[in-house]
Amino acid sequence: RKEVEQDPGPFNVPEGATVAFNCTYSNSASQSFFWYRQDCRKEPKLLMSVYSSGNEDGRFTAQLNRASQYISLLIRDSKLSDSATYLCATGGGNKLTFGTGTQLKVEL
Amino acid sequence: NAGVTQTPKFRILKIGQSMTLQCAQDMNHNYMYWYRQDPGMGLKLIYYSVGAGITDKGEVPNGYNVSRSTTEDFPLRLELAAPSQTSVYFCASGVGNQPQHFGDGTRLSIL
Repeated sequence: RKEVEQDPGPFNVPEGATVAFNCTYSNSASQSFFWYRQDCRKEPKLLMSVYSSGNEDGRFTAQLNRASQYISLLIRDSKLSDSATYLCATGGGNKLTFGTGTQLKVEL
Repeated sequence: NAGVTQTPKFRILKIGQSMTLQCAQDMNHNYMYWYRQDPGMGLKLIYYSVGAGITDKGEVPNGYNVSRSTTEDFPLRLELAAPSQTSVYFCASGVGNQPQHFGDGTRLSIL
């Protein structure tokens, strides 16, 4: 089993839709959790950290479920500019482990 | 505020040549990392460093070497370039459990 797993997609959604991605992790000792956004041929950029109680940043909501060992990202009112690959990352101590990413395509 | 700076941005090498990918950060981060990302794939950790003078292997270290003589710089060396090393290389830096910050990458082709 991979340490961090994501559905590769693509998720094709109409503009204005709500879409959610999950990311499962196998290391129960993981202490930190993040969502990154990566545009085609660009570097990953931090979208948001994921906190135990869940957190929101505008149209984006992240949640952590330690019991089931997954994190989620919810995007409301999708924009064309949200089209990208979303990487989850988990870690503890020195390193992060990244998922392979979920591709989102927002269409007119 | 430069963040993480990688040079060069693009490079074409012949098989068997060597080169050094440069990475510098100005955020005073202790931790630095080198990843490679093949087309349509995830990030794979090559090497990382938790401070000056300390380096450790990641998931795919074969064919690469690193050094960390200062907090700011973390160069990645390819000694005998092979076609399998064609990839996009990202350097990142961070602090403990905080998120990592990435440079904009070096696109390397080996022919």
